[in-house]
Formats: sequence, structure tokens, C-alpha cells
Amino acid sequence: DIVMTQSPLSLPVTPGEPASISCRSSQSLLHSDGYNYLDWYLQKPGKSPQLLIYLGSNRASGVPDRFSGSGSGTDFTLKINRVEAEDAGIYYCMHTIQIPLTFGGGTKVEIK
Amino acid sequence: QVQLQESGPRLVKPSETLSLTCTVFGGSITGYYWTWIRQPPGKGLEWIGYIYYLGNTNYNPSLKSRVTISLDTSKKQFSLKVSSVTAADTAIYYCARWNYTTTWRLFDYWGQGALVTVSS
Repeated sequence: DIVMTQSPLSLPVTPGEPASISCRSSQSLLHSDGYNYLDWYLQKPGKSPQLLIYLGSNRASGVPDRFSGSGSGTDFTLKINRVEAEDAGIYYCMHTIQIPLTFGGGTKVEIK
Repeated sequence: QVQLQESGPRLVKPSETLSLTCTVFGGSITGYYWTWIRQPPGKGLEWIGYIYYLGNTNYNPSLKSRVTISLDTSKKQFSLKVSSVTAADTAIYYCARWNYTTTWRLFDYWGQGALVTVSS
């Protein structure tokens, strides 16, 4: 199985400041078709996860442009340009390049 | 607008079988992979498995011997069974639609989740 490792575990952020979350995979997520099969999800308190970013860098429909994803192969980053209060929650990376699909352990973003 | 709704018993005894059903509202079953994901209280997410609309299944090897996912296209429902449950199977169980194309593979719709507790 591919192991997904996120850091940091917890991230306190002041509104208006930037935030960055790292995700590393134990195997490359770069497929021969040229796509990186890495997605980012946000789980707000008491809610189901919601898709933010797919294929490493594509924002899902309705996701604000303050969110961006980058990286390739085994190293990926989710950046929030200017954090807002509504961005609080747990962020998960997840690969979809092979079965079984696996998630990172999560990064809890806390608004100061 | 597509909506998914989990239903089923929320309390299961140890060694018995956990059964949940997910009903799909407002969309088609065709063309998608219908998936179960779980989350132990306060912990991370674990992919359980999926069933394709044509009936093909794939399961997490860590659960494969105990898991069955089935599909009833006429009712737009898919179901999860986990046998021989223990306290470690206590979790929020989510159903989700895996939108898998030549261009992307993503979970675009999720149910609200069903907390299933294994306890005597």
C-alpha cells in the first residue's frame, strides 16, 4: 500500500495569513499519462469531507482561488493564500493511482 | 443535485454483521464507482471498497475477507456488509461517488455519514 504522510499535524493560522500543508507519498503518484493522482479534501467539523483539489493542482468546482495545489511525484503542497475563518477543519491528501486508495493522516487547521 | 443517504442499524453486537445501505438521489448510478469509506471517531479516513455500476467490486485488502458491497440499480442503492465485527469497526461510515474518467478520479459527492457502534 502507498503510505501518505502529511505535515504538520496541527497548524494554527491567523486570518489573512498564508498556510501551507505538505503531503508525501511512499511511491510516485505520477502516472504514465502525465497526471499526478493526488487529491486534497477538507473536512469541516461534524461534516463529510469535501473535494478541494484534484490531480495535484486542479481546483474543484466552487473552491475559492485562495486554495492552490502543487507538486509532482512524491511531494505535494496545499497552499491557502489568505486564510479565512471558514477554512478551519482537517485537510487530507489522498492518492488514487492504485488500489487500495489511501489517505494521509490529516492536518488540523485552527484559526487563531 | 446528487445526494447520498446512508441508512441502517447504528448499533451492532460484536461478532455480528454490520449492514448499511446508501441511496442515491437526483442522479444516475450509471458510469460511476460507488464507494464506502470509514472514519473511526477522532481518527483518519480509510477506504473500504467500491462497486462499479456494472457490478465489479474492489476491496481494501485489510478488510477484504469480511466485506461485501452490492448494488441494486433499480432502487439506486448500494450496500455494505462487514462480518465478524469488533470494537475496532466502530466508525462513521460514509458512502461516496467516485467519479473516475480518463481525465480524473475524484470523490465528488458524499453522504452525511452514519456512526455505527459495535458494542454488546
